[in-house]
Amino acid sequence: GAGVSQTPSNKVTEKGKYVELRCDPISGHTALYWYRQSLGQGPEFLIYFQGTGAADDSGLPNDRFFAVRPEGSVSTLKIQRTERGDSAVYLCASSPSSNTYEQYFGPGTRLTVT
Amino acid sequence: DQQVKQNSPSLSVQEGRISILNCDYTNSMFDYFLWYKKYPAEGPTFLISISSIKDKNEDGRFTVFLNKSAKHLSLHIVPSQPGDSAVYFCAASANYQLIWGAGTKLIIKP
Repeated sequence: GAGVSQTPSNKVTEKGKYVELRCDPISGHTALYWYRQSLGQGPEFLIYFQGTGAADDSGLPNDRFFAVRPEGSVSTLKIQRTERGDSAVYLCASSPSSNTYEQYFGPGTRLTVT
Repeated sequence: DQQVKQNSPSLSVQEGRISILNCDYTNSMFDYFLWYKKYPAEGPTFLISISSIKDKNEDGRFTVFLNKSAKHLSLHIVPSQPGDSAVYFCAASANYQLIWGAGTKLIIKP
């Protein structure tokens, strides 16, 4: 079956602009996670959804970052007033439930803020 | 404060030999540890895991060892193959969150 997909694969935007990054999880997976990976580092947790609700958004760096998952499937990560420091690869992962340790990752969206 | 550390940024191993990747952690509350493998331009893929109540888990060429007293785990790959060349991440589970190391780039030489 299809894995986790993320669009776009690359996004270049100017400082101050608004961006949306999309994640399509594996069908039937109720848990969805967003991570951010900077160069030379491991992924850093941003937010976790169980169904439609954000169960934990403690990893979001500030209020410019917001994520939704309105129907419990597709999720969108939204970044307002982008800054150069937001440049990173944004990874999405899903798992069958929050009790499953194994997470399935998408290929990521590389965001570059110029 | 890094809770999960992979101190070797890279490792080069001859094809056919054993590759040993190391990982240290600080939080004794972690209950599960995982290794992920990542190729360029792809997301990490799950490789093998171990519960904190065990000290060894084996899956084919891959074995993970956990030393809780030393807060150390290692991934052994034997024999190493060219397709094993990738970045390997160690991750520790605290509830549903995964806390990741910075990764070790493994290069398998022919």
